[in-house]
Amino acid sequence: AAGVIQSPRHLIKEKRETATLKCYPIPRHDTVYWYQQGPGQDPQFLISFYEKMQSDKGSIPDRFSAQQFSDYHSELNMSSLELGDSALYFCASSYDSGFTDTQYFGPGTRLTVL
Amino acid sequence: AQKITQTQPGMFVQEKEAVTLDCTYDTSDPSYGLFWYKQPSSGEMIFLIYQGSYDQQNATEGRYSLNFQKARKSANLVISASQLGDSAMYFCAMREGENSGGYQKVTFGIGTKLQVIP
Repeated sequence: AAGVIQSPRHLIKEKRETATLKCYPIPRHDTVYWYQQGPGQDPQFLISFYEKMQSDKGSIPDRFSAQQFSDYHSELNMSSLELGDSALYFCASSYDSGFTDTQYFGPGTRLTVL
Repeated sequence: AQKITQTQPGMFVQEKEAVTLDCTYDTSDPSYGLFWYKQPSSGEMIFLIYQGSYDQQNATEGRYSLNFQKARKSANLVISASQLGDSAMYFCAMREGENSGGYQKVTFGIGTKLQVIP
């Protein structure tokens, strides 16, 4: 079965640089979520999109922005990178069936800021 | 207050034995969903099992079962016949509110690291 695709899998950036993370949800899934997982921590919700509209927002820094495109893929744009942005970034997708809303996670993008 | 509490930072289990990973949750919303995810050392987050707040029966998926005690607000994961490949971090998570419209963000516990011993 098709899974969530994230690219790149690994990314190394310098401080103050920008980064763009991409997410391709499971086909027919209408909702995309972004999470950030720092070293040794649990994932923290950043932002979500439902049917290409931003639906919910968590602890996402103002330096970050995201959008969902017409083909449902999503991009997380991160500017003025800081050392503390080093983390594993997950994208998850789900389908609003009205019965269950299991979020299936992608393999993650490991961002290292030097 | 913590919405998801996992009190076992680390657990050991002998291969082929069963193990229970504890999870308690806190919500005042009558509609919620509970999830367990497995995160091996490679980093991916693998969905294991789901329990809805209105589900009457405990969820089961192969060797995984969820011991759902609604009154106690607990959702323990039971892994039967442990295998070496079960060694990983296990996260309990919760979605509060109705599952629609893109407001289904999930809140995670801090995780339990399970090690299966040969």
